[in-house]
Parts: sequence; structure tokens; C-alpha cells
Amino acid sequence: ILNVEQSPQSLHVQEGDSTNFTCSFPSSNFYALHWYRWETAKSPEALFVMTLNGDEKKKGRISATLNTKEGYSYLYIKGSQPEDSATYLCASNHAGNMLTFGGGTRLMVKP
Amino acid sequence: SAVISQKPSRDICQRGTSLTIQCQVDSQVTMMFWYRQQPGQSLTLIATANQGSEATYESGFVIDKFPISRPNLTFSTLTVSNMSPEDSSIYLCSADRGRSEAFFGQGTRLTVV
Repeated sequence: ILNVEQSPQSLHVQEGDSTNFTCSFPSSNFYALHWYRWETAKSPEALFVMTLNGDEKKKGRISATLNTKEGYSYLYIKGSQPEDSATYLCASNHAGNMLTFGGGTRLMVKP
Repeated sequence: SAVISQKPSRDICQRGTSLTIQCQVDSQVTMMFWYRQQPGQSLTLIATANQGSEATYESGFVIDKFPISRPNLTFSTLTVSNMSPEDSSIYLCSADRGRSEAFFGQGTRLTVV
């Protein structure tokens, strides 16, 4: 059973603050790391798929980095907005096709 | 990207009853997955549903409690049987096109009273 952990579990920030959270995963037999943004009553939305050590991806104000040797990924949000409020999920692929999800980080951005 | 339509989006059910959740994919997919997220917990895989064979259940989940159907490559159902308040969760279906791509339904928020 793979252990994918996210921290913190929840986070409250003020509008305009920048923030980041962590996903840790087993480094052995690693294939890919996925980040999703999940708003209530909507489908989780894919943000990034990262495979290479040192990968850095960016989508607007959101960016992510990947360290496959030590088994962690950071997600950064610059200048948080209320519409960024959601649960951010990471999931890792190892041997096989199934994703193993972390517990998610619930972000709440106050206006 | 594929689109998955999941129904119902939410329901409030009496204990002891059963609820069937449906997921319809707009294209053929090989593997479909069912997840559960209990309040404050991780998104946890219940089972993998393959067309033409019995679902494969993860540790802690059994067919009698969570029967799954996968009659074709675009559709699957999950039934939550003999419900108790502990079954109150968000249930989410997913389809997988390979290691780099996964799609999700909108989720079903189930409350058992």
C-alpha cells in the first residue's frame, strides 16, 4: 500500500497572500505525480502531471515542482484569490496504472 | 478529455436502504474506478471495474457491501448496500486512459440518516 501524504490538511489565507503546500510520496518505482483542484460538487480538475525530477510547471498563478529522488512535490499559489478556494489533491503513479491519492489540502481564501 | 456524468449528485438516505450511483463516460475507456472520501479523510479507492469481469476490490471493501456493475466500456454503477451513517461520504468515479490521464465524475454526496 503506497503512502501519499499532503500537508497541511487545511489552510486559511487572506486574499493576496501567496501560499504553498506539500505532497510526499514513495520515491521507488515512481512514474508520475498528478495535482488536481477539486471544488465542491464539481469534477476534480487536472492541474499538472509531472514525471521528471526537477520538473517545474506553471498555470497562471499556480505552479508546482517535483523532486522524485526525495519523494515530494510543492504546489504554489501566488496572490491567492477567493476563487482559488478548493481542495487540492495530489496523486502518484507507481508500478501499475492506478493512482494513489493523498488526503488533500483544503484551501480557503478570505476576501 | 473525456466527460463523465455521475448521478445522483447528492442524496439523503435512510439507514438500511441501498443507493445506486451511476457513471456514464462519453467515450470508451478500459478501466473505471470508484473512490470514497469520508469526512476529513483521504480519497480512498474502493474498487476497479473492468468490462466483462468482476470488479477488483481494495482491502476493507467487499462486493456484498459495494456491488459494482460494468456492462460496457462507457458505463458503471456502484451500489452502497444496507447503508449506515458511517457510509456518509462523497463517492467519486473515475476513468483511466493510462498513467498520464484520469477523468472524474462530479461526485455523489451521500448522507445516511
